Amino acid sequence: DIQMTQSPSSLSASVGDRVTITCRASQGIGHSLAWYQKEPGEVPKLLIYASSTLQSGVPSRFSGSGSGTDFTLTVYSLQPEDVATYYCQQYNSAPLTFGQGTKVEIK
Amino acid sequence: EVHLVESGGGLVKPGESLRLSCVASGFTFSTYAMTWVRQAPGKGLEWVSSISRSGDFKYSADSVQGRFTISRDNTKNSLYLQMNSLRAEDTAVYHCVRAPQGVIDRGDYWGQGTLVTVSS
Repeated sequence: DIQMTQSPSSLSASVGDRVTITCRASQGIGHSLAWYQKEPGEVPKLLIYASSTLQSGVPSRFSGSGSGTDFTLTVYSLQPEDVATYYCQQYNSAPLTFGQGTKVEIK
Repeated sequence: EVHLVESGGGLVKPGESLRLSCVASGFTFSTYAMTWVRQAPGKGLEWVSSISRSGDFKYSADSVQGRFTISRDNTKNSLYLQMNSLRAEDTAVYHCVRAPQGVIDRGDYWGQGTLVTVSS
């Protein structure tokens, strides 16, 4: 199974800050990496797929990059509505696996 | 608009069974693979099982292999998860998820989920 490791597990930043979350796969997955946002009490929302493709309707302040084993989600100019837990997921092969999540809070 | 509505959750005792259902609308159900993903209380997301468009190909997590069975009825726009021999660690909200490109894929639309609680 491919293990996905996210860091940090939580972070606190100010409105307007740039925030970066990393995700590392235990083996190469090409670009088969998705990022999700889960707000408290809400359904997970797909933000980015294929490592860097923005899902329709997602604000352009979200950006993804990486390939192989190392991936990054960047939020340029953090907004109050971005408070959520963010998960990466590999879909290169079964079993599909998620990172453990990164909780983002506003300072 | 895409809608996925799960039902069938509830409180059961260890060893008992439940059948979850998900009714899809707003898209051509038979042309999409589908997935179940769960989230235990206070925990992260965990993939459970996926099924191809036709239902011919199925994949499941080791943690549910042999106990859970995914199926679909394209004539009813419905996805199912038959859960047998339930354990306390199966307690979670179960989400029905659409996979836009294939059976092993990201999920672009998620249902609100149905809560399964396994407790004696």
